[in-house]
Amino acid sequence: QQPVQSPQAVILREGEDAVINCSSSKALYSVHWYRQKHGEAPVFLMILLKGGEQMRHEKISASFNEKKQQSSLYLTASQLSYSGTYFCGTEGAGGNTPLVFGKGTRLSVIA
Amino acid sequence: DAGVIQSPRHEVTEMGQEVTLRCKPISGHDYLFWYRQTMMRGLELLIYFNNNVPIDDSGMPEDRFSAKMPNASFSTLKIQPSEPRDSAVYFCASSPTGTVFSGELFFGEGSRLTVL
Repeated sequence: QQPVQSPQAVILREGEDAVINCSSSKALYSVHWYRQKHGEAPVFLMILLKGGEQMRHEKISASFNEKKQQSSLYLTASQLSYSGTYFCGTEGAGGNTPLVFGKGTRLSVIA
Repeated sequence: DAGVIQSPRHEVTEMGQEVTLRCKPISGHDYLFWYRQTMMRGLELLIYFNNNVPIDDSGMPEDRFSAKMPNASFSTLKIQPSEPRDSAVYFCASSPTGTVFSGELFFGEGSRLTVL
């Protein structure tokens, strides 16, 4: 089942913060975050495992609430380079299953 | 090291024609995935292989779609006959054994298919 991401799109000014949410109706083993710039391939940001710690990639961090089957991506002091579409990918509770990606959140950072 | 290599990058064809998309995974990666990306549905998994063997093709939309992996360094996704609704960006991704479902997927740059 495809996870639901919110918001669908967000526009920020440089230096502002944003939160992107990813929610699943099923129990999860892990949540993965990818960023895709326009016309390019998705690039891995981080993975959050069940029972694991909050992860960080530069000024981007993420959390995973296993009980709520939700993950949030926190972008702090956004930079122009953060612009792109962010996808969460979820792995089912049993593990060892291919990722199912959400539809993505389009983030635009303007000067 | 070279990443995942896909060809062609762009393909424009007419309805009814056969389309073949190609992928070379990263050397040493035992898992290969084909995804399709559209605005409406996002990234959808079509099929994945482990050691050249198809493991799950439940995402392949119709019999018009087929995928093969004749060896560890090459895979194809074929659409025959193609239809306008097949227009999308098709991504190939690979992953090394041991981290395949809990690690990074390495994506190619994608093949943008337009069926007129």
